Amino acid sequence: GAVVSQHPSRVICKSGTSVKIECRSLDFQATTMFWYRQFPKQSLMLMATSNEGSKATYEQGVEKDKFLINHASLTLSTLTVTSAHPEDSSFYICSARDRGGPLEAFFGQGTRLTVV
Amino acid sequence: EDQVTQSPEALRLQEGESSSLNCSYTVSGLRGLFWYRQDPGKGPEFLFTLYSAGEEKEKERLKATLTKKESFLHITAPKPEDSATYLCAVRTLTGNQFYFGTGTSLTVIP
Repeated sequence: GAVVSQHPSRVICKSGTSVKIECRSLDFQATTMFWYRQFPKQSLMLMATSNEGSKATYEQGVEKDKFLINHASLTLSTLTVTSAHPEDSSFYICSARDRGGPLEAFFGQGTRLTVV
Repeated sequence: EDQVTQSPEALRLQEGESSSLNCSYTVSGLRGLFWYRQDPGKGPEFLFTLYSAGEEKEKERLKATLTKKESFLHITAPKPEDSATYLCAVRTLTGNQFYFGTGTSLTVIP
């Protein structure tokens, strides 16, 4: 299957600072990437859909000024958690679809964010 | 409203004890149903895509089937390494989103 690389896998930051998470499709072009948040023992919660060259679409209840998404190319999307607080600590996962390929989406390895 | 429900929430099996996981869905129009496996602390790993009722797909000890209302993931003679959370997702005819169920946590005991 297609490969999606997410970096970093773990990050610890101080409260009030910003953190950037990268999501890259390594062997395919992704017009659309998805960002999820996952709490312990819970399923994936879609935060936003990232479209190359246009503004991201955020799910209801997700603050777009806090979770900045940029999809500048067909292989890279970034999620920046601005002014992070301890309640933002979570597991963040991206996924991407091959625009020229099958229907399924492929996931990155996830990023464990801890805000202290 | 589009909805995906998985059952059971958790399942413990003895090694070699076959069983099935269920994914029920209610969508306006199904474009595809997906099964993923997720290990702790990792992103989901793609397993199968099913497009229409009656379709079946197999991979090693796993077999996925689809009807108009639900999908089953059959696990034959499971091994401890099959222990993971199995997630089901659907994509509708309208929109780009994948709707995920809450998953089934499978534990296979040696």
